[in-house]
Amino acid sequence: ILNVEQSPQSLHVQEGDSTNFTCSFPSSNFYALHWYRWETAKSPEALFVMTLNGDEKKKGRISATLNTKEGYSYLYIKGSQPEDSATYLCAFNNNAGNMLTFGGGTRLMVKP
Amino acid sequence: DAMVIQNPRYQVTQFGKPVTLSCSQTLNHNVMYWYQQKSSQAPKLLFHYYDKDFNNEADTPDNFQSRRPNTSFCFLDIRSPGLGDAAMYLCATSRESLGGAEQYFGPGTRLTVT
Repeated sequence: ILNVEQSPQSLHVQEGDSTNFTCSFPSSNFYALHWYRWETAKSPEALFVMTLNGDEKKKGRISATLNTKEGYSYLYIKGSQPEDSATYLCAFNNNAGNMLTFGGGTRLMVKP
Repeated sequence: DAMVIQNPRYQVTQFGKPVTLSCSQTLNHNVMYWYQQKSSQAPKLLFHYYDKDFNNEADTPDNFQSRRPNTSFCFLDIRSPGLGDAAMYLCATSRESLGGAEQYFGPGTRLTVT
C-alpha cells in the first residue's frame, strides 16, 4: 500500500497572505507527481504534472517544487485570493502506468 | 465546453438497490477511470479502462462493476449498495495510460445510501 500524505489537512489564511503545503510520497519507484485543485461543486483541475527531481513549475501565483530523492513536493501560493479557496490534492505515479495514488488533500480557505 | 460529464450529480439509492452512475467524455481519450472518495479521505482508484480493456484494482469489492460500451461512455454499477458505499464517485480520462499523463476529471456524483 502506497502512502501519500498531505499536510496540513486544512488551512485558513487572510487575503494577500502567501502560503505553502506539503505532499510526501514514497521515494522509491517514482514516476510522476500530480497536483490538482478541486473547488467545491466543480471538477478537480490539473495544476502540474512533475516528473524530474528538482523540477519547479509555475502557473500564475501558484508554483510547485519536487524532491524525488526525499519524497516530497511543496505547493506555494503567493498573495492568496478568495478564489484560491479549494482543496489541493497531490497524486503519485509509481510506475509507467498512470494509476494515481492520491493524498487526502489540503483544504485552503482564504478570507477576504 | 464540458469535457467530462457525470450524471447525475447527486444520487440517492436504497440499501441493496442496484444503482448505475454514468460518465461521458468529449475528449476522445483512450483511458477512463473511476475513483471513490469517502468523506475527507483520499480518492481511491476502483478500476480503469484502456480502450475496451478493463483493469480492476485488487481491493475493489466485487459489488462494483463497470461497463464501457464505446469510447465516450463509461458506467459504474453498484449491484447491492451498502451504507459504506456512500461516497463521491469521480470519473476521469487521459489520452494515454503512460505515467505522467494528465487526467481530466468530471465533477463527481455524490451517492447517498438510505
